[in-house]
Amino acid sequence: EVQLVESGGGLVQPGGSLRLSCAASGFTFSSYWMHWVRQAPGKGLVWVSRINSDGSSTSYADSVKGRFTISRDNAKNTLYLQMNSLRAEDTAVYYCARDLGFDPWGQGTLVAVSS
Amino acid sequence: QAVVTQEPSLTVSPGGTVTLTCGSSTGAVTSGHYPYWFQQKPGQAPRTLIYDTSNKHSWTPARFSGSLLGGKAALTLSGAQPEDEAEYYCLLSYSGARVFGTGTKVTVL
Repeated sequence: EVQLVESGGGLVQPGGSLRLSCAASGFTFSSYWMHWVRQAPGKGLVWVSRINSDGSSTSYADSVKGRFTISRDNAKNTLYLQMNSLRAEDTAVYYCARDLGFDPWGQGTLVAVSS
Repeated sequence: QAVVTQEPSLTVSPGGTVTLTCGSSTGAVTSGHYPYWFQQKPGQAPRTLIYDTSNKHSWTPARFSGSLLGGKAALTLSGAQPEDEAEYYCLLSYSGARVFGTGTKVTVL
């Protein structure tokens, strides 16, 4: 079964850091571009970042550029999102998704930024 | 970054037809934007319905179809069912970056 499972969310203070992980299974992870998407409570979907299959090319939304870093470990079939200088407006459920047909999606992990 | 605009809400009668649109602040939406359409129900992760303008996943009901219409991407629901009541989002590609639309709440009533 093709599956993505996010982890690493939690409560963090403004200015803090957090690293999210997305474990992939059921497909050849190293062959696919991957994305992070977030959704603040009661709000719409926001694309955050994407990475190509070997990690050599990345792209970010303006709202996170310079603060977030996407990376991957193809040997571990895992995608990461390093989030630094977190702000209250980064509070959201964070999803990972495979680029091919933008499917599958993980179940999401909640990040709450609050003092 | 570009702003992608959708109708905030639409209502369709059971069995009826409704078309959702997805416009770009940078100009006409083309196949080069590789439009996607997603359905999201409360408390659930999004589910992809349409990719690359008009391609369907195996789970996409036949009553959903994607197209380009009047410079926008469009999602048409023909023969609406009560279970189609949901939020719908489009996604456009801009040279590596992606931008989601503002979302359309579809009510089947």
